[in-house]
Amino acid sequence: QSALTQPASVSGSPGQSITISCTGTSGDVGGYNYVSWYQQHPGKAPKLMIFDVSNRLSGVSNRFSGSKSGNTASLTISGLQAEDEADYYCSSYTGSSTLVVFGGGTKLTVL
Amino acid sequence: EVQLLESGGTWVEPGGSLRLSCAVSGLTFTTYAMSWVRQIPGKGLEWVSVISGSGGSTHYADSVKGRFTISRDNSKNTLYLQMNSLRAEDTAVYYCAKPSGTGWYRFDYWGQGTLVTVSS
Repeated sequence: QSALTQPASVSGSPGQSITISCTGTSGDVGGYNYVSWYQQHPGKAPKLMIFDVSNRLSGVSNRFSGSKSGNTASLTISGLQAEDEADYYCSSYTGSSTLVVFGGGTKLTVL
Repeated sequence: EVQLLESGGTWVEPGGSLRLSCAVSGLTFTTYAMSWVRQIPGKGLEWVSVISGSGGSTHYADSVKGRFTISRDNSKNTLYLQMNSLRAEDTAVYYCAKPSGTGWYRFDYWGQGTLVTVSS
């Protein structure tokens, strides 16, 4: 099972919006509405932000939103803030013996 | 407060074995499946394995199948990962993670991680 494809880096200025894509196949992203997004700050464990494509975990800012079209899922962060600077990972259920596949991660820089 | 605390990570030579532990508190341990997820330093995440709350069902990533064994001791609220025939590519920070809700594919609580280094 190959890793999901994410851009290595994205950047934006405070107040702007950015979108991070996550491309898989019909065997993972495209086949199930089980895409999750994690935020990871340096030296910290990942933090679940979005699950089942578009559901925010309780306590997560509504500036974070998720969507999916075909084999590509997306995370959009609006009203960028300095504390949003982190690595972001997508993941998907696969239905195969390797139950979960992650993306390679995207480094978000807030300019 | 839910807490997951991994231990057991260290340096080991290729071909060697190691057992990781994860002590869990703040929840009814037997109710939840538990997973291991690893991260090569500076790189991405890789799902490793999951075990059901009873311990009766397990799944593994193809990359570790036949070499790693996940288990749990519900009397001690502890999760384990027995790693055999270790390879250089198994070098990573190993996190234990609790799946969220009924799905085993999303993780809402993570430990701080324990570093395993496989090198000669």
